[in-house]
Amino acid sequence: DTEVTQTPKHLVMGMTNKKSLKCEQHMGHRAMYWYKQKAKKPPELMFVYSYEKLSINESVPSRFSPECPNSSLLNLHLHALQPEDSALYLCASSQRTGEEQYFGPGTRLTVT
Amino acid sequence: DQQVKQNSPSLSVQEGRISILNCDYTNSMFDYFLWYKKYPAEGPTFLISISSIKDKNEDGRFTVFLNKSAKHLSLHIVPSQPGDSAVYFCAASDRQGGSEKLVFGKGTKLTVNP
Repeated sequence: DTEVTQTPKHLVMGMTNKKSLKCEQHMGHRAMYWYKQKAKKPPELMFVYSYEKLSINESVPSRFSPECPNSSLLNLHLHALQPEDSALYLCASSQRTGEEQYFGPGTRLTVT
Repeated sequence: DQQVKQNSPSLSVQEGRISILNCDYTNSMFDYFLWYKKYPAEGPTFLISISSIKDKNEDGRFTVFLNKSAKHLSLHIVPSQPGDSAVYFCAASDRQGGSEKLVFGKGTKLTVNP
C-alpha cells in the first residue's frame, strides 16, 4: 500500500478565513512533506517533518502553519492567505528523508 | 541556480516506439535519482529510481540509465503507450550527505500519439 490521502480535494477560501489541509499515510513512513505546485512548474518544497519534528521550513510565510499530531498525520493550517497562494498543495511521505517520496492527490486551493 | 535540468519541455512520440526523457544535474554530491510521472490535477507518482553505484535500473517498460561522468540520466519507456502521456519530473538527492530534500527538474511533457 503506497497511498497518501489528502482532504479536502478542493478548497475555496477568502483572505480572512482560517482553514486546514489534512494528510494521512499508513505506510509507517517517518518523514512527511508539504509542497506547493503552480501550473507547469515542479513541486516546491515548503516543510519537512522527520520523526514528527519539523526539520525544514523553506522560509514559508507564517500564514502557513504545519502540524504533525502523530506519525501518520500531517496538517497545514491556513490563515489570512493571499490570492497568489492559490495552487495545488501536495503532501508526500517517505520511509526516511532522502528516500523516494509518495505523493497524495493534492488539495486544489483557491483564495478569493 | 538550477541543479537538476530537464532541457526539453515537451516530447511527442508514436505509440509503440521508444520514449527517451533526459535529465542533467550539476551537483556532484547527488547520489540518488528518481523519476516521477504526473497527470494534470493529481499528485506525482513515483516511477523508478537509481543509486549512483549503478548505471542502469529496469522495471518493466521503464529503464533509467545513469552516466555519472556526464552528470546525465535518462528514462526510456518501451513500448510507449497513450496512457504514458503525462509530465515527467526528474529528481535528485544527496542521500549520503543526509539531505532531506529532493531537488526536482522543471519537467518534460510527454505526448504519446495513437
